Amino acid sequence: DTEVTQTPKHLVMGMTNKKSLKCEQHMGHRAMYWYKQKAKKPPELMFVYSYEKLSINESVPSRFSPECPNSSLLNLHLHALQPEDSALYLCASSQDVAGGVYNEQFFGPGTRLTVL
Amino acid sequence: QQPVQSPQAVILREGEDAVINCSSSKALYSVHWYRQKHGEAPVFLMILLKGGEQKGHEKISASFNEKKQQSSLYLTASQLSYSGTYFCGTESGSARQLTFGSGTQLTVLP
Repeated sequence: DTEVTQTPKHLVMGMTNKKSLKCEQHMGHRAMYWYKQKAKKPPELMFVYSYEKLSINESVPSRFSPECPNSSLLNLHLHALQPEDSALYLCASSQDVAGGVYNEQFFGPGTRLTVL
Repeated sequence: QQPVQSPQAVILREGEDAVINCSSSKALYSVHWYRQKHGEAPVFLMILLKGGEQKGHEKISASFNEKKQQSSLYLTASQLSYSGTYFCGTESGSARQLTFGSGTQLTVLP
């Protein structure tokens, strides 16, 4: 199984809502990532988890809260978002975060988020 | 710092060749190449490591000039399925994370 799954595919939320994005992989990967992608732009790294511990937080606002309950699951909790947070949120996984030939990242299909 | 990709866009006829370039101002540990089709997730194409090791698809080739911190992706005898946006991702120093370039939109016409 070389698939990363994400739910939901689409999400519309108001600025006062609380919602969560979910990501799952069963490839035994120990690194998982959240990226944000705006239209016609490259993915921007938000968070990296390595062996279920947060290893990188790219100065993301606290209204985004990541969680890694176990090695296969990654959540992104959303609260009090702004309209400018509307984007495609991509989850990815790789064998580990160490550089090298095994650092190929597998991306999920993304959650398209719209904040009203 | 974001790597610079060129060209921003290219249009080809089926069977033609294309080269996409990626350069960085930082010393690079590795360069990754991904293709993203509209509405889909990025898909891995190639990794090039400092020292010459490569991993990737047989029909796609790439080079990595470590001294110039540049990489090029070579698409030969292009097919319609090659259409999409190509991103290079660079990994530098101790930060084991990818910083993606702005992307190159490739369109292959019949």
